[in-house]
Amino acid sequence: DTGVSQDPRHKITKRGQNVTFRCDPISEHNRLYWYRQTLGQGPEFLTYFQNEAQLEKSRLLSDRFSAERPKGSFSTLEIQRTEQGDSAMYLCASSSPSGRAVWTQYFGPGTRLLVL
Amino acid sequence: DAKTTQPNSMESNEEEPVHLPCNHSTISGTDYIHWYRQLPSQGPEYVIHGLTSNVNNRMASLAIAEDRKSSTLILHRATLRDAAVYYCILGPAYSGNTPLVFGKGTRLSVIA
Repeated sequence: DTGVSQDPRHKITKRGQNVTFRCDPISEHNRLYWYRQTLGQGPEFLTYFQNEAQLEKSRLLSDRFSAERPKGSFSTLEIQRTEQGDSAMYLCASSSPSGRAVWTQYFGPGTRLLVL
Repeated sequence: DAKTTQPNSMESNEEEPVHLPCNHSTISGTDYIHWYRQLPSQGPEYVIHGLTSNVNNRMASLAIAEDRKSSTLILHRATLRDAAVYYCILGPAYSGNTPLVFGKGTRLSVIA
């Protein structure tokens, strides 16, 4: 079990540029979550997938944000035309309900985005 | 979503017990109380959860008030590695199955 990994760990970009983040969940976990965390706040839910299906999107996920999980394994989160307000930590978590009781989500270390 | 209220910060001496409070006066009958913590530069990690009875695991204990309007996370002997932000979250039994709603949490500092 290598845990949830995220790439890159840090990203600095200029306003207006597009960025893409990757999340690799724990192997065979079929549920994958994206959260955003700004300084001094707790994480806020953005969206989640069960296998390749995107089941729910938060109102925080504006039209400039898109997430995919094409083969039900890794996921990408893309932000188009970045704004300074997008600067935050983007966290990925996975879990494996599979009809079983699941006590926890397992979080990755996050990708810290700074938009200049 | 039911709300929780936690102190912004707390401080503890190393190797002493720590009691982290959480108020949730609007908790519903089916809400479980979950605790996650976030160590510096890491994502959150699960600590413990419960419904009505007090719970113990290798990381901590959870004491739940009889009326369920408050709960307390207990770290029996704080270590420097316990310095983190602790989040009290209400939700269904299985926190792996649903998006988590985090508040601001309590930042715990541990003094050597």
